[in-house]
This record gives sequence, C-alpha cells and structure tokens, in this order.
Amino acid sequence: NAGVTQTPKFRVLKTGQSMTLLCAQDMNHEYMYWYRQDPGMGLRLIHYSVGEGTTAKGEVPDGYNVSRLKKQNFLLGLESAAPSQTSVYFCASRAAGQGARRTEAFFGQGTRLTVV
Amino acid sequence: RKEVEQDPGPFNVPEGATVAFNCTYSNSASQSFFWYRQDCRKEPKLLMSVYSSGNEDGRFTAQLNRASQYISLLIRDSKLSDSATYLCVVILNTGGFKTIFGAGTRLFVKA
Repeated sequence: NAGVTQTPKFRVLKTGQSMTLLCAQDMNHEYMYWYRQDPGMGLRLIHYSVGEGTTAKGEVPDGYNVSRLKKQNFLLGLESAAPSQTSVYFCASRAAGQGARRTEAFFGQGTRLTVV
Repeated sequence: RKEVEQDPGPFNVPEGATVAFNCTYSNSASQSFFWYRQDCRKEPKLLMSVYSSGNEDGRFTAQLNRASQYISLLIRDSKLSDSATYLCVVILNTGGFKTIFGAGTRLFVKA
C-alpha cells in the first residue's frame, strides 16, 4: 500500500521556469492538501481540495495553481518560479464522511525544490 | 496573527524528564485538534488526537482548553527517541475542514 506518493522528490529550477508537482494517493481520500515548509515557519497551507473537481485557497496561494481532475491526484503548478518558492513541499490526504473532523492526515515524503 | 501558534523551542531535556508543550489557536471555528510528530527531513506523522476530556497514550498526555483556546502535550519519562519536532494541528469547520499546522516545537532529549 503506497499511501501518498509525491513526484519528483528533488528539483532545481531556474527563475521563470514552470513545473508541476504530482501528488497521488491510493486510499480513496476525499480531502487533499498542499503545504510548503520553510525553516521557522512550519507547514503553511497553499491550496486544498475537498473532492474531485474542487479546489480552494489556503494561507499562501499566490504564485501557485492546483487541479484535482481525478480523485486520487492533486497537482500543484508553478507557472513562473521565483527564488521565494524555494521550499519543501508536502502533500497530504484525509478521509471525509462521518468523523471527517478526526481523521488522520497522511503525508507524502516531500519535494525539495530549489529555485535559482 | 497566525491561526495556530507554538513556542518554537528548542527544548533541551535529559532522558527521563517530563516536558510540556503548549499551542494556542485563534479561530473559534476550530473543531478538531491533533499533535503530529516530524523527524528531521521526514514527513509529519500523527502522534495523537486531542479530546475535550483530555487523553493519554502511554507516556503522552494531551489536553484541550476550549475556553482559553489552547492545547497541551505532556511527555513523561522522555526517551532519546522522542527527539523531534512536535506540530500542533487544528481542523477548521469552514466547509472543507481546512487543516492548519503550527510551526512546531523542537525537542532534544539528551543522555
């Protein structure tokens, strides 16, 4: 059981380049999230999705776009990368339904992105 | 103001010590509360949920004070393996159960 898988695990981009981070989960979870983690800042929510075809903004959405065309996949796009987007990106998923408030979030192993 | 705030630490304690972390949240729509643990360069993993009546899991005790809007985590008889960053997590009932993480508290347990 793979759980949550993020690709790629590492990437170096030049300023202005674009890229897409892929998050895939095989647990049939409704909710999916993208976070970035920077030293001293903890995990900050970028965008999230409560189901296939839906997305919503989190705390720090600027410079990022997302899509959830399939329930199992949540894509995070950077259209024009900037050095300020150098970070570790984590994807997470949670189950919905009864008890959704208390369900555990499962994380991918993270993507280390450097923008030079 | 951040929605979830934690003392960043670090807390440096000897093995066997008792250590407590606090976390405050600002949104009264906060519905559910958790503590996650994150090891260096790894993903966060669930440590325990936090229930209104308080709950215990072995050496770990979690408390919730809704009136004062804070959560606590107590670790008794600290082990070297407890060294990690502890993240306070709040789920908001905003129609999508948005999950918000605190910045984390670093704990170092030394022999």
